[in-house]
Amino acid sequence: DVKVTQSSRYLVKRTGEKVFLECVQDMDHENMFWYRQDPGLGLRLIYFSYDVKMKEKGDIPEGYSVSREKKERFSLILESASTNQTSMYLCASSALGAGYGYTFGSGTRLTVV
Amino acid sequence: DQQVKQNSPSLSVQEGRISILNCDYTNSMFDYFLWYKKYPAEGPTFLISISSIKDKNEDGRFTVFLNKSAKHLSLHIVPSQPGDSAVYFCAGDMRFGAGTRLTVKP
Repeated sequence: DVKVTQSSRYLVKRTGEKVFLECVQDMDHENMFWYRQDPGLGLRLIYFSYDVKMKEKGDIPEGYSVSREKKERFSLILESASTNQTSMYLCASSALGAGYGYTFGSGTRLTVV
Repeated sequence: DQQVKQNSPSLSVQEGRISILNCDYTNSMFDYFLWYKKYPAEGPTFLISISSIKDKNEDGRFTVFLNKSAKHLSLHIVPSQPGDSAVYFCAGDMRFGAGTRLTVKP
């Protein structure tokens, strides 16, 4: 069964901490994405990557960075966590091509206190 | 600025009837439109897609209609089942709407 695995289901961090959210896919997909989901706002695109070591900003990249050193792994980094980054974070992957649906992980619920 | 909009936060229908979920978009450059279904505590799962060059795509009980002139698409579920109760997201390429919570009552 194909999978996108996010390392943590729940995470509580303090304001100002550097936070790493890890995502691994086992489908050999080229594309990987990070979204955050907030009530009433749906899924908002933070960053995406079409290839190893390649990254593109999404719609809300401020306060975040990403790393893709290997094809299967896409990490989201919160450089200095703030309370407004409390959210559900969803990682997804897809094959190359716009028509392919994404496979999502189960999400990481991050709370910044 | 949201490029994909789902203006109905919720929809309730009776089992066996048709569910129609609506979605509007502003970006004419989208190549594909996709629908996802999300249960609580799970990530969204891909349901059905439609190319921007088509106006209809059908998969079992699910049909998506695209009206390019109106920049509008809709997902029809016939017949609706209680297991269809979930949040449905419309997406244009990488951009998602806010979601519509569908409740199918037995």
